[in-house]
Amino acid sequence: KAGVTQTPRYLIKTRGQQVTLSCSPISGHRSVSWYQQTPGQGLQFLFEYFSETQRNKGNFPGRFSGRQFSNSRSEMNVSTLELGDSALYLCASSLNRATYEQYFGPGTRLTVT
Amino acid sequence: AQSVTQLGSHVSVSEGALVLLRCNYSSSVPPYLFWYVQYPNQGLQLLLKYTSAATLVKGINGFEAEFKKSETSFHLTKPSAHMSDAAEYFCAVRLVMAGTASKLTFGTGTRLQVTL
Repeated sequence: KAGVTQTPRYLIKTRGQQVTLSCSPISGHRSVSWYQQTPGQGLQFLFEYFSETQRNKGNFPGRFSGRQFSNSRSEMNVSTLELGDSALYLCASSLNRATYEQYFGPGTRLTVT
Repeated sequence: AQSVTQLGSHVSVSEGALVLLRCNYSSSVPPYLFWYVQYPNQGLQLLLKYTSAATLVKGINGFEAEFKKSETSFHLTKPSAHMSDAAEYFCAVRLVMAGTASKLTFGTGTRLQVTL
């Protein structure tokens, strides 16, 4: 079974631009979570989606948003990029909300210049 | 609030030596605990999980962890380190409370170096 896939793997954007990252969960998995990883702040939870609804949200500004489609694929969007948004963005999927282990994709490395 | 503390941001062991990576958690309710490993330029791979069944949990690649409620600890061990174990290791906690959402909270990570 294929793992979690994320596209693109690498991205370079300029301050003020916006970006959309994509995540395809493991087949059959319906819950998708997003995390931001930086050297300074470590791994931080962004949001969780299940059945196309945001179920949980971390402490990030409204510039960070996401959505989930009927096939469980998810996208996250960051508007008005700032230098501090440079990070590895990780997507994780789990079978459902009652299944506690999450399986991570390889991440998207975003660099904001 | 739930939290995880990993003692030691860097740990160095010789090949063949015991690996011990420390993790302490803080939680007002029984937690679910996880260890993940991250190799350079990759995502996180699940090593093992504790979900209130057996307190000694065996994972992949020869790793195991023991849940000790009295010490609020979930330390990761491996009897004999291999060069391929060099990576960053993250401890994580997830609370499950009826009627509320849950999320995964990670520790700051421990970078394991294995020397010849």
